[in-house]
Amino acid sequence: AQSVTQLDSHVSVSEGTPVLLRCNYSSSYSPSLFWYVQHPNKGLQLLLKYTSAATLVKGINGFEAEFKKSETSFHLTKPSAHMSDAAEYFCVVSLSYNTDKLIFGTGTRLQVFP
Amino acid sequence: GAVVSQHPSRVICKSGTSVKIECRSLDFQATTMFWYRQFPKQSLMLMATSNEGSKATYEQGVEKDKFLINHASLTLSTLTVTSAHPEDSSFYICSARVSSGGPGETQYFGPGTRLLVL
Repeated sequence: AQSVTQLDSHVSVSEGTPVLLRCNYSSSYSPSLFWYVQHPNKGLQLLLKYTSAATLVKGINGFEAEFKKSETSFHLTKPSAHMSDAAEYFCVVSLSYNTDKLIFGTGTRLQVFP
Repeated sequence: GAVVSQHPSRVICKSGTSVKIECRSLDFQATTMFWYRQFPKQSLMLMATSNEGSKATYEQGVEKDKFLINHASLTLSTLTVTSAHPEDSSFYICSARVSSGGPGETQYFGPGTRLLVL
């Protein structure tokens, strides 16, 4: 069975400061892990994905995430937040060989203050 | 990049009517499409997997007669909410997987359809 836990429902940062969105996963088999972003009333946009290659994954808009098997974590980071980063972020897990069944976390709402 | 569209983006209907939502892959063929439902301030829940030319596979607890899915071509899947009721009001999002890839391929999501049933 697979599951994903997003530890923070809300994160607030000031523009220009670092962003950390936490995600822990559970998977019986080798997982694929994703981060998606959803702006208000919009669909989901893929930020980055881990599929058993490099453990440090770089995505779009300056985001990156590191797969840490020992900690079962896949935290999302960005060195400097921008106002346009304010959105809902979802951590998602699936089996590496079958991404048809995506398991979504409950989401983290990121607020960016000027 | 892979683009998925949905139509309409927003629909308001009366209780008891049926509503059809279209999901199209614009620049790629998608043998498999997926339908999700998202309640306010909650995460996405997979409703069903739509396969071109065959019956959809529904998740446990999703009524197949209530949510009719048709995947008539490699670029179009439709979700029809039959006899809609206020509790069906939600944000419906589709996604599509590139046909050339296997089950390990990334899903690309549409912009969603907000349904409000009065």
